[in-house]
Amino acid sequence: GENVEQHPSTLSVQEGDSAVIKCTYSDSASNYFPWYKQELGKRPQLIIDIRSNVGEKKDQRIAVTLNKTAKHFSLHITETQPEDSAVYFCAASVGGTSYGKLTFGQGTILTVHP
Amino acid sequence: NAGVTQTPKFQVLKTGQSMTLQCAQDMNHEYMSWYRQDPGMGLRLIHYSVGAGITDQGEVPNGYNVSRSTTEDFPLRLLSAAPSQTSVYFCASRSPTRADTQYFGPGTRLTVL
Repeated sequence: GENVEQHPSTLSVQEGDSAVIKCTYSDSASNYFPWYKQELGKRPQLIIDIRSNVGEKKDQRIAVTLNKTAKHFSLHITETQPEDSAVYFCAASVGGTSYGKLTFGQGTILTVHP
Repeated sequence: NAGVTQTPKFQVLKTGQSMTLQCAQDMNHEYMSWYRQDPGMGLRLIHYSVGAGITDQGEVPNGYNVSRSTTEDFPLRLLSAAPSQTSVYFCASRSPTRADTQYFGPGTRLTVL
C-alpha cells in the first residue's frame, strides 16, 4: 500500500519568514495530494490540494509543488503569521472514479513566533 | 446544512465495554470513512464506505465494525474496547463529484481505561 513520509516533524519560524514542509510517497499510481491544517482540538481542514496533471498550485500565501518523477510534494507558506501555527498533514491517494483512500503523513507542528 | 456531525464528543470506557460512535452527514455524500488519530502517527483509515450497503476495511480495521444502512449515517462500533483504542476518531465524507475533497467531522475523543 501507499506510504507517505513527512518532514520535518516540527518547524519553528519567525513571523514573516517562509515555511516549507516536504512529503514523499511510495505509490506511483497516486495522483491526488491534499494538505490539511489542524488547530489544537479541532478537525483537519483542507487548505490546498494538487493533482498529478499540474506541477504547482498557489492560493494567496500558500503553494504546493509536485514532482511526480521523484514522488515528492511540498507545502510552501510565505509571510507566515502567528495564526498559521498548527499541525499540517500531507496526504496522497489514487483518485478518480474509484474511492481514493487517503494515506496521511505523520504531521508537522508549525510554530510561528511573533 | 450541518455538514458532518459526530456524537459523542468525549467518551470514557472500561476495557471490554462496547459502544457505537455515531456519524452523520447531510450533504448527500456517497463516500464516508472513519479515521483514528494518535500522537505522531497522523490519521489512519479504519473503515470506509462507497455507498449504502457497501463497506470495506482500511489500514487498521481490527476491533471495529461498521455498517451503512443509509446514505446519511455511518456508525463505528467497538465490540470490546481495549486501551489501545484510546484515540481521537474522525468521520469524513466526500462527494465523488467534488473531486477527492474530504470533509471531516469534529471528532470523538475516546479513552479506554
